[in-house]
Amino acid sequence: DAKTTQPPSMDCAEGRAANLPCNHSTISGNEYVYWYRQIHSQGPQYIIHGLKNNETNEMASLIITEDRKSSTLILPHATLRDTAVYYCIVGVSNQFYFGTGTSLTVIP
Amino acid sequence: NAGVTQTPKFQVLKTGQSMTLQCAQDMNHNSMYWYRQDPGMGLRLIYYSASEGTTDKGEVPNGYNVSRLNKREFSLRLESAAPSQTSVYFCASSLRLAGDAYEQYFGPGTRLTVT
Repeated sequence: DAKTTQPPSMDCAEGRAANLPCNHSTISGNEYVYWYRQIHSQGPQYIIHGLKNNETNEMASLIITEDRKSSTLILPHATLRDTAVYYCIVGVSNQFYFGTGTSLTVIP
Repeated sequence: NAGVTQTPKFQVLKTGQSMTLQCAQDMNHNSMYWYRQDPGMGLRLIYYSASEGTTDKGEVPNGYNVSRLNKREFSLRLESAAPSQTSVYFCASSLRLAGDAYEQYFGPGTRLTVT
């Protein structure tokens, strides 16, 4: 069962930060938060993951609340190529359950 | 590295026909997966293999069988295709990261239509 809740769609202006929220109120102490994206009909692509601390890599930043019940994926300077469906996944070990994700549209 | 490859890319079957979807990875990953994605939906796990010689059911295993042929290859078989199995099928393999975190790498998908 999908353990996350995401808004179905969002828009973001090109060059601005895109902030994608995710609720995971039933997360267990050993479960990670993962973000993947799927561009058009391609296979999903890993973006970032975290357990308790905020994380940053070359693609994005992940902010996890102190109680770990929600998180936000931040794309600092959205481009048209960031238009995709973004999935927030909560899981342990190597089994992932995808929800329906957030369809992000970056507007010129 | 080719990553994760899947064959065929497209397939049309008639109800009751059988077929095998092939998947191979060249990244020396232990774990491999099969997902299906129906229109407008997220991915649902059909079967996974944590290591060579082991397979386990996922969320939607009914109507499917799998074989982990070796470390590289993981195939998905539909013994008697039904229209409800019309979907896009993705294969993935995973790399274990620090702690108990995993990064999954996906193939390009197989688009299957059952008429």
